[in-house]
Amino acid sequence: DTEVTQTPKHLVMGMTNKKSLKCEQHMGHRAMYWYKQKAKKPPELMFVYSYEKLSINESVPSRFSPECPNSSLLNLHLHALQPEDSALYLCASSPWRGWSIKQFFGPGTRLTVL
Amino acid sequence: QKEVEQDPGPLSVPEGAIVSLNCTYSNSAFQYFMWYRQYSRKGPELLMYTYSSGNKEDGRFTAQVDKSSKYISLFIRDSQPSDSATYLCAMTVFYGQNFVFGPGTRLSVLP
Repeated sequence: DTEVTQTPKHLVMGMTNKKSLKCEQHMGHRAMYWYKQKAKKPPELMFVYSYEKLSINESVPSRFSPECPNSSLLNLHLHALQPEDSALYLCASSPWRGWSIKQFFGPGTRLTVL
Repeated sequence: QKEVEQDPGPLSVPEGAIVSLNCTYSNSAFQYFMWYRQYSRKGPELLMYTYSSGNKEDGRFTAQVDKSSKYISLFIRDSQPSDSATYLCAMTVFYGQNFVFGPGTRLSVLP
């Protein structure tokens, strides 16, 4: 299995909702990443987990809360989002933190906040 | 000045053409250079990466890095309609560091 899967593919939520995005990989990778991508813009790094520990948090608002329950799974919990948070949320993984140049991306979750 | 610059396009070429995609950058410390391809509504896919200056070839794709000019290129030979996508360059100072993406160039290869 050489892919990163993300669920759901699409999500529409109100500003008062709580929802979660899920990412899974079975390649034995030990680093996992969350990115946010707005239309016609490059991905922006949000969080990096290395060996299930949060190692990078690029000053992301607290309404985004990552969780790495195990080495294969990465969640992003969403609460009280704003319409400007509407974007494609990409998960990626790499063999280990030191080889972050070889990142494998999932297809993304397209999030719309009303 | 942005750290990595890339012509956003769109770039339209006929099938079979040679395509040249380019990025310029300002940070002379960058050493690893990547090219990602992103189809519409999909995640980016790593095409190639190179270390320092020089060329690297993989099938129809050739990546070139000119560190003295802070300029990198991706050439696509015998372009196909299936190559139609957004191409993102990315670069980093050393492995283990987070990398910086360029804004991407949209390419359309017309049959």
